[in-house]
Amino acid sequence: KQEVTQIPAALSVPEGENLVLNCSFTDSAIYNLQWFRQDPGKGLTSLLLIQSSQREQTSGRLNASLDKSSGRSTLYIAASQPGDSATYLCAVRGDSNYQLIWGAGTKLIIKP
Amino acid sequence: NAGVMQNPRHLVRRRGQEARLRCSPMKGHSHVYWYRQLPEEGLKFMVYLQKENIIDESGMPKERFSAEFPKEGPSILRIQQVVRGDSAAYFCASSPPAVPRDSAFFGQGTRLTVV
Repeated sequence: KQEVTQIPAALSVPEGENLVLNCSFTDSAIYNLQWFRQDPGKGLTSLLLIQSSQREQTSGRLNASLDKSSGRSTLYIAASQPGDSATYLCAVRGDSNYQLIWGAGTKLIIKP
Repeated sequence: NAGVMQNPRHLVRRRGQEARLRCSPMKGHSHVYWYRQLPEEGLKFMVYLQKENIIDESGMPKERFSAEFPKEGPSILRIQQVVRGDSAAYFCASSPPAVPRDSAFFGQGTRLTVV
């Protein structure tokens, strides 16, 4: 059974710092992995999607890496801004099904 | 091209009433997924539907919950005889038929409160 863990559960850093959020999964037979952002009381915004054959994806100040064999992904945020404050969710989709399995998220606070 | 539309955004029901949550997928998308986010918990898969078919309902509670995606109209998640434990945010996602597993576009969610 796939399990997804995100560490840390919460993170507070000063504006301008680079930071890394971690996601690990127990079953390496994944089809893809997605990082999402969720603002309080709001919906889910897809940030980056990495196919199982890929090593990383980049979008602006965000970079996500995937090491399928070790069951790990990282989301790197460069030059953090207060607007980056949100909960970041990692989700994996298995090889044999269609559902996303979610981590509990990392709540990020960027202090001005 | 409007995104995934969910309504209502907020729904308050008394215990024992029925809740109906609607999800209109993006144009051209024929695959719909429902997820539930309980307070202070992660999202959990509930059900995966294609037009007129339930493909995977392994995450649906066995009683009181049902889902449909008719040929015409939105997908409906129906909760009968709601209880306080059903209070949660319910999210819908849709995918195109050609690449149903490549990505999923999420709606804003329906926040159900049972009083």
